[in-house]
Amino acid sequence: KNEVEQSPQNLTAQEGEFITINCSYSVGISALHWLQQHPGGGIVSLFMLSSGKKKHGRLIATINIQEKHSSLHITASHPRDSAVYICAVDVTNAGKSTFGDGTTLTVKP
Amino acid sequence: DTGVSQDPRHKITKRGQNVTFRCDPISEHNRLYWYRQTLGQGPEFLTYFQNEAQLEKSRLLSDRFSAERPKGSFSTLEIQRTEQGDSAMYLCASRLRLDTQYFGPGTRLTVL
Repeated sequence: KNEVEQSPQNLTAQEGEFITINCSYSVGISALHWLQQHPGGGIVSLFMLSSGKKKHGRLIATINIQEKHSSLHITASHPRDSAVYICAVDVTNAGKSTFGDGTTLTVKP
Repeated sequence: DTGVSQDPRHKITKRGQNVTFRCDPISEHNRLYWYRQTLGQGPEFLTYFQNEAQLEKSRLLSDRFSAERPKGSFSTLEIQRTEQGDSAMYLCASRLRLDTQYFGPGTRLTVL
């Protein structure tokens, strides 16, 4: 079992819909990251969280440390939001980060 | 452009050849990471440096892989005697202490 699990694996939405992507982890962490990767493109950091909630434009990220769970929400989705969204955690007392396999989001106009 | 550059962007090589990739991080970032990503998977940790010291290596990193970060600036990742299973995207990222990671565009390796 992976240390970081994401769901769903694939998600198709209509433009304007509210989207939620989930991430569960099984290790102790010092921080959690949400990343975005466009096809053929590099990875861009969206959020870094250690507690609570962060908002940037139409994107909201939350984390529940006790439940070892985080969610990424996209409000009023747009076709340009189509990308792979990856959850990653900084493992406590280790230098490494562990990544989920990503959620492929397609937003149709 | 995140400020992290990688060279080359694409590399095609024949099985058994050696390849070397370079990563130039954001200048003030003390931590530098190497990851490998295959299609449909998230990045897998390979190794990381704090300044010039290589502090951790994944079990994935066989003896054919070696990484350096001389003077704590740019880093190189060398793969000796490449195998077809080495075909992947090799990603570099840098960060200041435990702040946000900034990823390079990656080097796509194809081993024929």
